[in-house]
Amino acid sequence: DGGITQSPKYLFRKEGQNVTLSCEQNLNHDAMYWYRQDPGQGLRLIYYSQIVNDFQKGDIAEGYSVSREKKESFPLTVTSAQKNPTAFYLCASSPQARGEQYFGPGTRLTVT
Amino acid sequence: GNSVTQMEGPVTLSEEAFLTINCTYTATGYPSLFWYVQYPGEGLQLLLKATKADDKGSNKGFEATYRKETTSFHLEKGSVQVSDSAVYFCALSDRNTGNQFYFGTGTSLTVIP
Repeated sequence: DGGITQSPKYLFRKEGQNVTLSCEQNLNHDAMYWYRQDPGQGLRLIYYSQIVNDFQKGDIAEGYSVSREKKESFPLTVTSAQKNPTAFYLCASSPQARGEQYFGPGTRLTVT
Repeated sequence: GNSVTQMEGPVTLSEEAFLTINCTYTATGYPSLFWYVQYPGEGLQLLLKATKADDKGSNKGFEATYRKETTSFHLEKGSVQVSDSAVYFCALSDRNTGNQFYFGTGTSLTVIP
Protein backbone atom coordinates (compact mmCIF):
# COMPACT_ATOMS: atom_id res chain seq x y z
CA ASP A 1 0.00 0.00 0.00
CA GLY A 2 1.27 3.47 -0.85
CA GLY A 3 1.17 6.13 1.78
CA ILE A 4 2.87 8.25 4.39
CA THR A 5 3.88 6.88 7.76
CA GLN A 6 4.74 8.87 10.83
CA SER A 7 6.12 7.33 13.96
CA PRO A 8 5.53 7.18 16.76
CA LYS A 9 1.90 8.28 17.13
CA TYR A 10 2.52 9.57 20.68
CA LEU A 11 5.83 10.89 21.97
CA PHE A 12 6.73 12.15 25.41
CA ARG A 13 9.91 14.06 26.24
CA LYS A 14 11.38 16.06 29.05
CA GLU A 15 12.05 19.73 28.56
CA GLY A 16 15.56 20.43 27.27
CA GLN A 17 15.82 17.26 25.17
CA ASN A 18 15.93 17.19 21.40
CA VAL A 19 13.50 14.79 19.74
CA THR A 20 13.24 13.55 16.15
CA LEU A 21 9.94 12.76 14.47
CA SER A 22 9.96 10.31 11.60
CA CYS A 23 8.19 10.74 8.25
CA GLU A 24 8.46 8.22 5.42
CA GLN A 25 6.58 8.08 2.11
CA ASN A 26 6.50 5.46 -0.64
CA LEU A 27 4.44 7.52 -3.07
CA ASN A 28 7.52 8.64 -5.04
CA HIS A 29 6.57 12.26 -4.33
CA ASP A 30 9.21 14.94 -4.78
CA ALA A 31 7.96 17.44 -2.21
CA MET A 32 7.53 16.91 1.52
CA TYR A 33 6.24 19.20 4.26
CA TRP A 34 6.04 19.51 8.03
CA TYR A 35 3.18 21.28 9.77
CA ARG A 36 2.33 22.01 13.34
CA GLN A 37 -1.26 21.99 14.58
CA ASP A 38 -2.32 23.39 17.93
CA PRO A 39 -5.74 22.69 19.50
CA GLY A 40 -8.55 24.42 17.66
CA GLN A 41 -6.18 26.01 15.19
CA GLY A 42 -5.19 25.56 11.59
CA LEU A 43 -1.93 24.24 10.21
CA ARG A 44 1.29 26.21 10.30
CA LEU A 45 4.16 25.33 7.97
CA ILE A 46 7.47 24.52 9.66
CA TYR A 47 9.72 23.36 6.80
CA TYR A 48 9.34 22.03 3.28
CA SER A 49 11.53 20.29 0.75
CA GLN A 50 11.06 20.22 -3.01
CA ILE A 51 13.96 17.88 -3.81
CA VAL A 52 16.54 15.74 -2.04
CA ASN A 53 19.26 17.66 -0.18
CA ASP A 54 17.29 20.90 -0.32
CA PHE A 55 14.74 22.42 2.05
CA GLN A 56 13.26 25.79 2.94
CA LYS A 57 11.96 27.37 6.12
CA GLY A 58 8.26 27.82 6.52
CA ASP A 59 6.44 30.29 8.73
CA ILE A 60 7.56 28.91 12.10
CA ALA A 61 10.97 27.26 11.55
CA GLU A 62 12.65 28.59 14.69
CA GLY A 63 13.57 25.79 17.08
CA TYR A 64 13.20 23.08 14.43
CA SER A 65 15.58 21.41 11.99
CA VAL A 66 15.13 18.95 9.10
CA SER A 67 17.14 16.87 6.66
CA ARG A 68 16.30 15.37 3.28
CA GLU A 69 18.98 12.81 2.47
CA LYS A 70 16.57 10.43 0.72
CA LYS A 71 13.50 11.09 -1.38
CA GLU A 72 11.39 8.88 0.90
CA SER A 73 12.35 10.41 4.22
CA PHE A 74 12.00 13.85 5.82
CA PRO A 75 12.68 13.69 9.58
CA LEU A 76 11.95 16.68 11.81
CA THR A 77 14.00 17.45 14.91
CA VAL A 78 12.37 19.52 17.62
CA THR A 79 15.24 21.14 19.48
CA SER A 80 15.41 22.42 23.01
CA ALA A 81 15.31 25.94 21.54
CA GLN A 82 11.65 25.49 20.59
CA LYS A 83 9.86 27.31 23.39
CA ASN A 84 6.49 25.58 23.16
CA PRO A 85 6.98 22.21 21.47
CA THR A 86 3.87 20.40 22.69
CA ALA A 87 1.65 20.04 19.62
CA PHE A 88 0.34 17.70 16.93
CA TYR A 89 2.84 17.39 14.06
CA LEU A 90 1.73 16.48 10.55
CA CYS A 91 3.91 15.42 7.64
CA ALA A 92 2.69 15.67 4.05
CA SER A 93 3.97 14.96 0.57
CA SER A 94 3.04 16.18 -2.88
CA PRO A 95 3.78 15.23 -6.47
CA GLN A 96 5.21 18.42 -7.92
CA ALA A 97 3.04 18.58 -10.98
CA ARG A 98 -0.38 18.16 -9.39
CA GLY A 99 -0.23 20.12 -6.22
CA GLU A 100 -2.47 18.28 -3.78
CA GLN A 101 -0.85 17.23 -0.54
CA TYR A 102 -1.26 13.87 1.14
CA PHE A 103 -0.94 13.68 4.89
CA GLY A 104 0.39 11.17 7.35
CA PRO A 105 -1.52 10.23 10.52
CA GLY A 106 0.43 12.68 12.69
CA THR A 107 2.58 12.51 15.83
CA ARG A 108 1.37 14.02 19.08
CA LEU A 109 4.38 15.36 20.99
CA THR A 110 4.10 16.21 24.67
CA VAL A 111 7.00 17.92 26.41
CA THR A 112 6.93 18.30 30.19
CA GLY B 1 -0.35 37.53 -0.85
CA ASN B 2 -2.28 34.29 -0.62
CA SER B 3 -4.76 33.51 2.14
CA VAL B 4 -7.89 31.50 2.90
CA THR B 5 -10.77 32.56 5.13
CA GLN B 6 -13.28 30.04 6.45
CA MET B 7 -16.48 30.54 8.35
CA GLU B 8 -15.94 30.13 12.06
CA GLY B 9 -17.36 27.18 13.86
CA PRO B 10 -18.33 25.15 15.56
CA VAL B 11 -21.28 24.10 13.44
CA THR B 12 -23.89 21.73 14.87
CA LEU B 13 -26.52 20.15 12.62
CA SER B 14 -29.13 17.48 12.90
CA GLU B 15 -28.78 14.37 10.78
CA GLU B 16 -30.08 14.86 7.21
CA ALA B 17 -29.73 18.66 7.39
CA PHE B 18 -28.13 20.70 4.60
CA LEU B 19 -24.53 21.75 5.14
CA THR B 20 -22.73 24.83 3.86
CA ILE B 21 -19.25 25.82 5.03
CA ASN B 22 -18.10 29.09 3.50
CA CYS B 23 -14.59 29.59 2.15
CA THR B 24 -13.16 32.61 0.38
CA TYR B 25 -9.63 33.11 -0.82
CA THR B 26 -7.11 35.72 -1.88
CA ALA B 27 -4.52 34.71 -4.43
CA THR B 28 -1.98 36.43 -6.62
CA GLY B 29 -2.22 33.91 -9.47
CA TYR B 30 -4.60 31.13 -10.49
CA PRO B 31 -4.66 28.73 -7.57
CA SER B 32 -5.98 25.24 -7.17
CA LEU B 33 -8.52 24.88 -4.36
CA PHE B 34 -9.06 22.00 -1.95
CA TRP B 35 -11.22 20.78 0.91
CA TYR B 36 -9.64 18.49 3.47
CA VAL B 37 -11.32 16.63 6.34
CA GLN B 38 -9.73 15.72 9.67
CA TYR B 39 -11.25 13.16 12.03
CA PRO B 40 -10.24 13.31 15.72
CA GLY B 41 -6.63 12.36 16.31
CA GLU B 42 -5.88 11.75 12.65
CA GLY B 43 -4.17 13.45 9.74
CA LEU B 44 -5.95 15.36 7.00
CA GLN B 45 -7.64 13.55 4.14
CA LEU B 46 -8.23 15.13 0.77
CA LEU B 47 -12.00 15.44 0.30
CA LEU B 48 -12.23 17.21 -3.06
CA LYS B 49 -10.43 19.67 -5.28
CA ALA B 50 -10.87 22.05 -8.24
CA THR B 51 -8.04 23.33 -10.37
CA LYS B 52 -9.64 26.09 -12.44
CA ALA B 53 -12.54 28.49 -12.44
CA ASP B 54 -16.05 26.96 -12.67
CA ASP B 55 -14.73 23.47 -11.90
CA LYS B 56 -16.85 21.52 -9.43
CA GLY B 57 -15.16 19.10 -7.09
CA SER B 58 -17.27 16.33 -5.58
CA ASN B 59 -16.79 13.30 -3.35
CA LYS B 60 -18.92 11.30 -0.89
CA GLY B 61 -21.90 13.63 -1.42
CA PHE B 62 -19.87 16.79 -0.79
CA GLU B 63 -19.53 19.42 -3.51
CA ALA B 64 -17.70 22.71 -4.00
CA THR B 65 -17.52 24.99 -7.03
CA TYR B 66 -14.54 27.21 -7.84
CA ARG B 67 -16.02 30.70 -8.27
CA LYS B 68 -13.43 33.15 -9.54
CA GLU B 69 -15.82 36.09 -9.64
CA THR B 70 -16.56 35.80 -5.92
CA THR B 71 -13.20 34.17 -4.99
CA SER B 72 -15.10 31.45 -3.17
CA PHE B 73 -15.09 27.67 -2.80
CA HIS B 74 -17.98 26.89 -0.45
CA LEU B 75 -18.45 23.28 0.70
CA GLU B 76 -21.97 21.83 0.53
CA LYS B 77 -23.70 18.56 1.30
CA GLY B 78 -27.39 17.93 0.89
CA SER B 79 -27.91 15.55 3.79
CA VAL B 80 -25.29 15.14 6.50
CA GLN B 81 -24.73 12.01 8.57
CA VAL B 82 -23.32 11.51 12.05
CA SER B 83 -20.19 10.09 10.43
CA ASP B 84 -19.54 13.47 8.76
CA SER B 85 -18.63 14.94 12.15
CA ALA B 86 -15.08 16.23 11.73
CA VAL B 87 -13.04 19.37 11.12
CA TYR B 88 -13.03 20.69 7.55
CA PHE B 89 -10.19 22.74 6.10
CA CYS B 90 -10.27 24.83 2.96
CA ALA B 91 -6.90 25.31 1.24
CA LEU B 92 -5.30 26.75 -1.84
CA SER B 93 -2.17 25.80 -3.71
CA ASP B 94 -0.29 28.33 -5.75
CA ARG B 95 2.12 27.15 -8.45
CA ASN B 96 3.81 30.56 -8.32
CA THR B 97 5.09 29.71 -4.83
CA GLY B 98 6.19 26.14 -5.51
CA ASN B 99 2.77 24.64 -4.75
CA GLN B 100 2.94 25.90 -1.20
CA PHE B 101 -0.37 25.38 0.56
CA TYR B 102 -2.36 28.00 2.42
CA PHE B 103 -4.91 26.59 4.86
CA GLY B 104 -7.94 28.09 6.49
CA THR B 105 -8.30 27.73 10.25
CA GLY B 106 -10.76 24.86 9.98
CA THR B 107 -14.46 24.52 10.75
CA SER B 108 -15.62 21.93 13.26
CA LEU B 109 -18.84 20.12 12.33
CA THR B 110 -20.87 18.02 14.73
CA VAL B 111 -23.89 16.11 13.42
CA ILE B 112 -26.36 14.92 16.03
CA PRO B 113 -28.80 12.04 15.50
